[in-house]
Amino acid sequence: GAVVSQHPSWVICKSGTSVKIECRSLDFQATTMFWYRQFPKQSLMLMATSNEGSKATYEQGVEKDKFLINHASLTLSTLTVTSAHPEDSSFYICSARGVVETQYFGPGTRLLVL
Amino acid sequence: QKEVEQNSGPLSVPEGAIASLNCTYSDRGSQSFFWYRQYSGKSPELIMFIYSNGDKEDGRFTAQLNKASQYVSLLIRDSQPSDSATYLCAVDHRDDKIIFGKGTRLHILP
Repeated sequence: GAVVSQHPSWVICKSGTSVKIECRSLDFQATTMFWYRQFPKQSLMLMATSNEGSKATYEQGVEKDKFLINHASLTLSTLTVTSAHPEDSSFYICSARGVVETQYFGPGTRLLVL
Repeated sequence: QKEVEQNSGPLSVPEGAIASLNCTYSDRGSQSFFWYRQYSGKSPELIMFIYSNGDKEDGRFTAQLNKASQYVSLLIRDSQPSDSATYLCAVDHRDDKIIFGKGTRLHILP
């Protein structure tokens, strides 16, 4: 299957700082990338959908000014958590989709905000 | 009505038996159906996808689709302890998204 990477895999930061997470499709061009968040023992929650070269579409209840998404190329999307607070601590997972419908997930990034 | 529904489980199955995971969906226009496996603390990984009515087999896994009943299932033959995980059903949606169910926790009993 297709390979999607995320960086970093772990991040610990102080409250009030911003954190950037990268998502890359390594062996295919991702026309659409998705960002999810998952709290312990809960299901995946879609945060936003991004298409290369256009603004991201955010799900209801997700603050677009807090979670900045940039999909600058067909292989890279970034999620920046601005002014992170302890309640933003979670498992952030991206997925990428190319020409076909199938979504492939990255390995996820664990964010801990102190 | 929830768009993709799964029994949350846990579903306990003896090692070597067949595990049967079920999923129903609400959008009759859906064309693509996916099963993902998620181990605790890890991200989901794709197991199978199916587009046509009927069965699709891949190793120990069989996906079954019945569009008339809006039902998709995953069978795991000869279940192994390593199959213990949460299984997510996903269905394509009219606004170009894939909608995930909340997942079924499967526990294979050694």
